[in-house]
Parts: sequence; structure tokens; C-alpha cells
Amino acid sequence: DQQVKQNSPSLSVQEGRISILNCDYTNSMFDYFLWYKKYPAEGPTFLISISSIKDKNEDGRFTVFLNKSAKHLSLHIVPSQPGDSAVYFCAATRNQGGKLIFGQGTELSVKP
Amino acid sequence: GAVVSQHPSRVICKSGTSVKIECRSLDFQATTMFWYRQFPKKSLMLMATSNEGSKATYEQGVEKDKFLINHASLTLSTLTVTSAHPEDSSFYICSARGGIWRGVTDTQYFGPGTRLTVL
Repeated sequence: DQQVKQNSPSLSVQEGRISILNCDYTNSMFDYFLWYKKYPAEGPTFLISISSIKDKNEDGRFTVFLNKSAKHLSLHIVPSQPGDSAVYFCAATRNQGGKLIFGQGTELSVKP
Repeated sequence: GAVVSQHPSRVICKSGTSVKIECRSLDFQATTMFWYRQFPKKSLMLMATSNEGSKATYEQGVEKDKFLINHASLTLSTLTVTSAHPEDSSFYICSARGGIWRGVTDTQYFGPGTRLTVL
């Protein structure tokens, strides 16, 4: 039972344009969501998070949007840079410090 | 801040041997550490949760006698893969959660991972 889903395994974007990565979840008990960036053979790096009491959180070029009614969140990267090329995982948890349930990941490729 | 290290980064061993992987929080005290496993092009799968000074809580389907976890201090957790077999070959990643301490939020911070290859 995949509680967190990233339906796009890959995404290719031109440098300078917007990258939009999507994530859906099924468990309405999740109340905290995170995005991680991962390079091959490295551990995930925390990017940005959002609590279920908010619908938007912004940090520099990264913005996460949460639509609770649709059980959907998205990560926007503007402008995209070649260094953003990596695998992005969304994760959900029932409380901020609880165990994380990860999506399958989306591989982002930003082309110069 | 919030640096987590893992050692070794890569290990190759013979089938039947045991391998120990260390996970350390370098600049904060980790009340809880998590161990994950990632197969190629797959998501991270939580194996177990360990709290300092208590027994680890294993996820369903994870053999606790095969994957021994020790969380001896607030900065160190170890995962020992006992009697390793080729199917145990994987990328093992730990994470640490420290609560609100020196500006470190109650978020999981991940180590760089350990690539285990069992021949």
C-alpha cells in the first residue's frame, strides 16, 4: 500500500524555467510533509517542509504548496538551475518528528 | 549544523560474515535515529527506529535478529547485518532526529549512506 506517491519518475526542464514536482498521499492522518533532494550514492538532503495548517511555504527558490482536500502537494523550483538535477523525494509523517513515509522519487534533470 | 555521518561509506564482504555500520550525529544529540534501506531506483524503506537506551522498533517484515541495532548514546547508533547474504546487498541510510536543540529543528537529517555488497 503506497501511502505516498510520486507518479512521475522523471522530469526534464530547461535552465531558468520552473520545475514542478508533484506528490499525492492517501493517509488523511499525515500532518507534516517534507521534500528531500538526493544525489546518487548520497543520503537525502532536507529541502523544505510544510505543516498541514498551512497551504504554502517558501524558502528562496523553493516553494511547497499543499492542497489538503486533494491530498496533493507540489514543489516549485524557480528558476531551475543545472545544479538542481537530482532525485527529489516527498515524505509525509503524522507528527513532525515521526517516522517518514517516502514517495518513489522523481528524477529532475535541468538542462543548460 | 545538523550533520550526520556514516561509516563505512562502502563495504564489500563475503557471504556469511557480519558487517557493522555506524551512524553518528556530529553536532547535535539525536534522541531518535532511523535506519533505511534503498534498492536501486526505489524509495527509501524504513527498517527500524531506535531511541537511545531502549530497544529498536522494527518495521513489519524486517528481521530483528538479522539487522541488529544498538543506540548506545545520543550521538551513535549502529546497524549490524549478521550472516550477510547477497540479497542483503543494498544502500543503507541512517537519519537522526534531535528535537529543538541549538537551532536544529525536529526534522530528520540523513547520513550519506553505506553501500553494502555481499559476494
